[in-house]
Formats: sequence, C-alpha cells, structure tokens
Amino acid sequence: ELKVEQNPLFLSMQEGKNYTIYCNYSTTSDRLYWYRQDPGKSLESLFVLLSNGAVKQEGRLMASLDTKARLSTLHITAAVHDLSATYFCAVDMGDYKLSFGAGTTVTVRA
Amino acid sequence: EAQVTQNPRYLITVTGKKLTVTCSQNMNHEYMSWYRQDPGLGLRQIYYSMNVEVTDKGDVPEGYKVSRKEKRNFPLILESPSPNQTSLYFCASSLLPYNEQFFGPGTRLTVL
Repeated sequence: ELKVEQNPLFLSMQEGKNYTIYCNYSTTSDRLYWYRQDPGKSLESLFVLLSNGAVKQEGRLMASLDTKARLSTLHITAAVHDLSATYFCAVDMGDYKLSFGAGTTVTVRA
Repeated sequence: EAQVTQNPRYLITVTGKKLTVTCSQNMNHEYMSWYRQDPGLGLRQIYYSMNVEVTDKGDVPEGYKVSRKEKRNFPLILESPSPNQTSLYFCASSLLPYNEQFFGPGTRLTVL
C-alpha cells in the first residue's frame, strides 16, 4: 500500500529564513503534486512534477522530485507571513489514483 | 468563471437518510474525483472518474456511490449515511488525469 509521509507536520517559520518540507513515498511513482490550503478554504495547486529531476519554482517556493529516492521537497526561501497555510503533497499511485500526505501546517512569525 | 461547484456547502443529517452531494465543473474536464478530509489524515480519495461512464474506487469507497452520466457532473451519493462519514468533502477536476486538479469549495457533512 502506498504511503505518503510529510515532515514536519507542523512548521513554525521565522520571517526571512529558509525552510524545507519533505514528502516521502513508499513506491515508485513519477507524478507528484503540491497543493496549498488556507484555513477554512479549499485547496489550490502549486506545482505538478511529472518526471525524475523535475524542478518547479514560483516566487519563494521551489519544488523538486527525486523518483529514485522517492522524495520530493518544497523549499521556502525568505519566509513571509503570506505563506502561512497547510501544504500537501500528493502522489499518483498508478491508474491516476492520488494519495495525499497528512499535510504540513506552516506558521510564519515576525 | 472557470470553477468547480458543490452543493450543499453544509449539511446536517441523521443516520440512514440518503443524501446526494452534487459536483459540477464548467471547464470541460475529463477527470473528476471526490475526497474526504479528516484532521490528521490529509485527503483520502473516495472515487474518481476518467470520463463519462468510467468510474473507479479510490482508497475509501465503502459507503459511497458515484455516477458520471454527463461530463460536467459527478455526484456523490451516500445511500445510508453513518456518523463515521462526518467529514469535509471536496470534489476536484482536471483536464486530463495527470494535470493539476481544481478543487471545489467543500461540503461539510455532519451525520448524527
């Protein structure tokens, strides 16, 4: 059974510093997605990673995928308050079934 | 406006009373999916559909039914709801199965 593990589950960030969220998964897959959820809101797509070595960047966020290590990282550069949210990774289990991680709740403090 | 809509947004019901949560998208997407979100568990996929008349079970299909008679609609049916189906439900769609998914606003269901 595919398991998707995110860590940390909670992350308190200081403004201006850099942080990384990790997403490990337990079987081979080359399709991984990152989503953001603000409190009380729905999810919005951040990144789609469809091959080994894929790297995507948007503003202060950068995501990468290493399919051999079964690992994706979401790197946050110079954290700002607007980045406070819960971040989910999701892995294609095959046949386009998606398995989500438990989410990383990020709080950015001054 | 391109969007995924869900109705109702909030629902309180009693055990055993059949209910349907509707989901509709106006983006001509082929892929649609239902998830439930519970604290500490992330999202778990209930059912998904690759296209009209094609549906498949996700991780937690027990107690749920779906249908895809039209491309734009993907209703979630609970024939006999139970308290353990109390959850926040999201419908999502994507143009193709491997594309990013667009999520609806969510339906908060309470089963007493």
